[in-house]
Amino acid sequence: QVQLQESGPGLVKPSETLSLTCTVSGYSINNNKYPWGWIRQPPGKGLEWIGSIYYSGSTFYNPSLKSRATISLDTSKNQLSLKLSSVTAADTAVYYCASLGGDCCHDYWGQGTLITVSS
Amino acid sequence: EIVMTQSPGTLSVSPGERATLSCRASQSISSNLAWYQQKAGQAPRLLIYGASSRATGIPARFSGSGSGTEFTLTINSLQSEDFAVYYCQQYNNWYTFGQGTKLEIK
Repeated sequence: QVQLQESGPGLVKPSETLSLTCTVSGYSINNNKYPWGWIRQPPGKGLEWIGSIYYSGSTFYNPSLKSRATISLDTSKNQLSLKLSSVTAADTAVYYCASLGGDCCHDYWGQGTLITVSS
Repeated sequence: EIVMTQSPGTLSVSPGERATLSCRASQSISSNLAWYQQKAGQAPRLLIYGASSRATGIPARFSGSGSGTEFTLTINSLQSEDFAVYYCQQYNNWYTFGQGTKLEIK
């Protein structure tokens, strides 16, 4: 059974860097078939893709984030991470790690973690 | 960026009836479209991929259609557990989501 579990600070101050980790169990991220990434959802609003990474190290980001996001893999721990710099209140959201295959069977989401940006 | 537009924003339907949700892409995405269901406090759940194929374990009352820029999700014989928010998502060029349709009990 594939499980994704996000972990993070819960509260981040404006202008600081948000750091999140996602631990994957039941599936090795050491293959290049599917990307691993992050999606967020502000309270009461819709879903926004942040970015994705392949095992090869290729990364792809939502241009709307203006280069503030960095996604990386730690294959030794079967984890992915997100860093989002210069956060503002607009970055307050539930952050999901996810691996979406566009097929019947590879569509995995974490349960999400709420990150609040506030002083 | 591919913009996904869903309509209506809110749909009120009685249990046992049919619901029809629409999604439009700002440019052709072939059949690279998925539908998700999201309930409060939960991650989205994949219903449909490839515009018309049901994901594993999804009941037959859920069906999807369309290609190019116009797509539809139909839910027949609405059950109480179907009342939720539904999102369309294109994966032709990474991912963008529609703003969601809230399906509520009439």
